[in-house]
Amino acid sequence: QSALTQPASVSGSPGQSITISCTGTSSDVGGYNFVSWYQQHPGKAPKLMIYDVSNRSSGVSNRFSGSKSGNTASLTISGLQAEDEADYYCSSYTGSSTLYVFGTGTKVTVL
Amino acid sequence: QVQLVQSGAEVKKPGSSVKVSCKASGGTFNNYAISWVRQAPGQGLEWMGGIIPIFGTPHYAQKFQGRVTITTDESTSTAYLELSSLRSEDTAMYFCAREISSSWFDFWGQGTLVTVSS
Repeated sequence: QSALTQPASVSGSPGQSITISCTGTSSDVGGYNFVSWYQQHPGKAPKLMIYDVSNRSSGVSNRFSGSKSGNTASLTISGLQAEDEADYYCSSYTGSSTLYVFGTGTKVTVL
Repeated sequence: QVQLVQSGAEVKKPGSSVKVSCKASGGTFNNYAISWVRQAPGQGLEWMGGIIPIFGTPHYAQKFQGRVTITTDESTSTAYLELSSLRSEDTAMYFCAREISSSWFDFWGQGTLVTVSS
């Protein structure tokens, strides 16, 4: 099971919107609506942001939204803020013996 | 509020084994799956395996089959990850996480750094 493909880095100015893509296959992202997104600050554990493609986790700002089309899921951060600077990972259920696969990770930089 | 508290950092020799613990509090331990996810230095997240305490049957990522053992102790609400035949590439931060609905991980432990070095 290969890791899902994410861009290595995405940047934007405060107030702008950015979108992070997460590309898999019909065996993972495309096959299930079980895509989640995690934010990870340096030295910290990941934090759940989005689950089941587009549902925000409790307490997560509505500036974060998720979607999916075919084998590609996306996370959009609108109204970018300095505190959004972090690494972001997508994850998908696979239904195989390796139940979950994560994305390669995207570093978000706020300019 | 659910909390997952992991055991402390470990330094191990190549070829040895390590056992990391993850103690849960604030929730119903038996009803939810616990997964283990690792992160090598500067690298991404990697799912290693998981277990639902009430069923006791673990699921392992193909990559780790034969080297990893995940168990639980319901009496202490603790999950364990044991990794054997350690090599330098196993140097990583190991996280436990509560798994919901075969879909997402909502609560994470603080991580346990395992260093494999001769």
